[in-house]
Amino acid sequence: DSGVTQTPKHLITATGQRVTLRCSPRSGDLSVYWYQQSLDQGLQFLIHYYNGEERAKGNILERFSAQQFPDLHSELNLSSLELGDSALYFCASSVVLGLRGSGYTFGSGTRLTVV
Amino acid sequence: AQSVTQPDIHITVSEGASLELRCNYSYGATPYLFWYVQSPGQGLQLLLKYFSGDTLVQGIKGFEAEFKRSQSSFNLRKPSVHWSDAAEYFCASTSNFGNEKLTFGTGTRLTIIP
Repeated sequence: DSGVTQTPKHLITATGQRVTLRCSPRSGDLSVYWYQQSLDQGLQFLIHYYNGEERAKGNILERFSAQQFPDLHSELNLSSLELGDSALYFCASSVVLGLRGSGYTFGSGTRLTVV
Repeated sequence: AQSVTQPDIHITVSEGASLELRCNYSYGATPYLFWYVQSPGQGLQLLLKYFSGDTLVQGIKGFEAEFKRSQSSFNLRKPSVHWSDAAEYFCASTSNFGNEKLTFGTGTRLTIIP
């Protein structure tokens, strides 16, 4: 157990629907990162939050949004889902801004299947 | 833009044999480099990292990696693999501590045969 908790582990939904993926970082970690892992795109950085504030955006679609709450957990919202959004979505956390120390700690991911 | 290349998509080695997984980075300055391992159905686990200093870094599970600036490489090695090392291995980089984004290679799948 890495200490980063992602729920749900698996999610099957239909095209056009909206889903919310949840991430609880390790205790004490202020940074939360979201990554998407798909067969064709590999591991792609989506977005980073630090202590509730958005810090960096990567290849995140406009249909996707995220937030980090005061208790530091984060949610990734995916809307108007398409078949191509099927992927493994990872959350990672770190105690500081940036990658000093041990780097990221990844959760075990949420596997999203859009049918 | 940064890029990380892992030229080997799939490698098969015999149990007990040595292993080297290749990683090349593209970045003008010294990058910060990482190797992660992903077992089926699992998240990514950090094996080792290079920030500065000694170019040979030791990691967990008996892995080591050597940073070679002249070759823009950060190859992962293990002297004797175990069946439990079968997994997907990712090399990643970032440009500096303030850049939160990790750029990953496409991964190398390692198969161990008895």
